[in-house]
Amino acid sequence: GESVGLHLPTLSVQEGDNSIINCAYSNSASDYFIWYKQESGKGPQFIIDIRSNMDKRQGQRVTVLLNKTVKHLSLQIAATQPGDSAVYFCAEILSGSARQLTFGSGTQLTVLP
Amino acid sequence: GAVVSQHPSWVICKSGTSVKIECRSLDFQATTMFWYRQFPKQSLMLMATSNEGSKATYEQGVEKDKFLINHASLTLSTLTVTSAHPEDSSFYICSARKSGGADEQYFGPGTRLTVT
Repeated sequence: GESVGLHLPTLSVQEGDNSIINCAYSNSASDYFIWYKQESGKGPQFIIDIRSNMDKRQGQRVTVLLNKTVKHLSLQIAATQPGDSAVYFCAEILSGSARQLTFGSGTQLTVLP
Repeated sequence: GAVVSQHPSWVICKSGTSVKIECRSLDFQATTMFWYRQFPKQSLMLMATSNEGSKATYEQGVEKDKFLINHASLTLSTLTVTSAHPEDSSFYICSARKSGGADEQYFGPGTRLTVT
């Protein structure tokens, strides 16, 4: 079946620096990707999404990049703040499937003062 | 808009008892709801897909007789953990997808289940 994996389980950045969280996916039939933020003891919070017909999408302080050639997804957070500390998950949806989400293993982002 | 609630937020029960968890879409109708389980330091694993008015579809390895799902209305799905055991202790999270076919899922805050 499909799988979504992350390159790094933990990431520490200085407050104010930019953060880059990476995600590799294995199924080229995935057509929709989402990044979620999960704080301890809470449900996932939508950050940004991207369709497979795009390679970049920007939100407020966040940018998602999609490289379909190497099946790689990244989340860039500009000017990282203490409130950005959380676990970040990428998730994918297969084209033509029941449109279920498959989550990656997660990256713990810690913002250092 | 697109708020999903879960009740209770946490529950402690004795081994062998059953526990019901509710998932509600507060300001939209959801034909499809999903139930996930998350163990500490791990990712979310889909347990089942719940469609209003029909039987839930369970993922491989999830016992349908142990995790009973009911989706009786467009705003409510329930998950009942029957004959709970300590290994069922986990964080249970639901999500809801708006009726109309859009992909985005809106997640609830989760329910922490502890079985003693």
